[in-house]
Amino acid sequence: QQQVKQSPQSLIVQKGGISIINCAYENTAFDYFPWYQQFPGKGPALLIAIRPDVSEKKEGRFTISFNKSAKQFSLHIMDSQPGDSATYFCAARNDGGSQGNLIFGKGTKLSVKP
Amino acid sequence: EPEVTQTPSHQVTQMGQEVILRCVPISNHLYFYWYRQILGQKVEFLVSFYNNEISEKSEIFDDQFSVERPDGSNFTLKIRSTKLEDSAMYFCASSEGWEGGTYNEQFFGPGTRLTVL
Repeated sequence: QQQVKQSPQSLIVQKGGISIINCAYENTAFDYFPWYQQFPGKGPALLIAIRPDVSEKKEGRFTISFNKSAKQFSLHIMDSQPGDSATYFCAARNDGGSQGNLIFGKGTKLSVKP
Repeated sequence: EPEVTQTPSHQVTQMGQEVILRCVPISNHLYFYWYRQILGQKVEFLVSFYNNEISEKSEIFDDQFSVERPDGSNFTLKIRSTKLEDSAMYFCASSEGWEGGTYNEQFFGPGTRLTVL
C-alpha cells in the first residue's frame, strides 16, 4: 500500500518532443505528489509538485496531470531539451500521517537526443 | 544558495566495520532525513529526525543504524556493523519544517556512496 509504481524505466525522446512519465499509487491517504529530477552525481531536486485538490499544475515546460479516481499522476515535459536528460522520480507523501517522509517510485532515465 | 552537504562522497569499508556518514543540513532547517538508494533501485526512506530525536523510521532502519546531531550543525548516520547489502548511495535531506498544514520542501545532499566489501 505504501508503493508508488513508476513507468517507463527509461525513455528516449527527440529534442522538441514531449516526454511523459507515469506513476500510480495505492494509498489514498497520500496528499502530496512531487516530482524530483536527479542529475548524475547529484541528489534529487524538487521539480514540481501537486496536491489532490487540483487535476493539473503547470510550471514552464513541466506539467503534472493528476487523476484522483484512478490514483495516477504523470509528468509531461513539453519541448524536451538535451539539458532535461536526467533521472526523474515521482514520489508521494502523507502529510497527515507521517513526519514528511517521501515514498519514491523507481525512477525513469530520460535521454533527450539532439 | 544554501545547500545540503555530505561527506565523504565515497566510502569503502569491510563487512562488519562501523561507518559514519556525515551531513551538514541547511542552517535554518529543523527536520532531517536519511534516505538510501541501492544501485538501480528506488530511493528509500530510512529515518526522520526532529527536535533531537527520531520522529519516524522505516523497517530498514534496524538496530544496526543510529542517527545523531552531535553539535547543532552536523547530522550523522552510523551503521554499526556493515553488511554487503548496505552498499548503496545514502542521501541526507533537510527541510524547514511544518507550515500551513504541510511539510516544506526537502532539499537533498549529493549523497555518499557506501561500498561494503
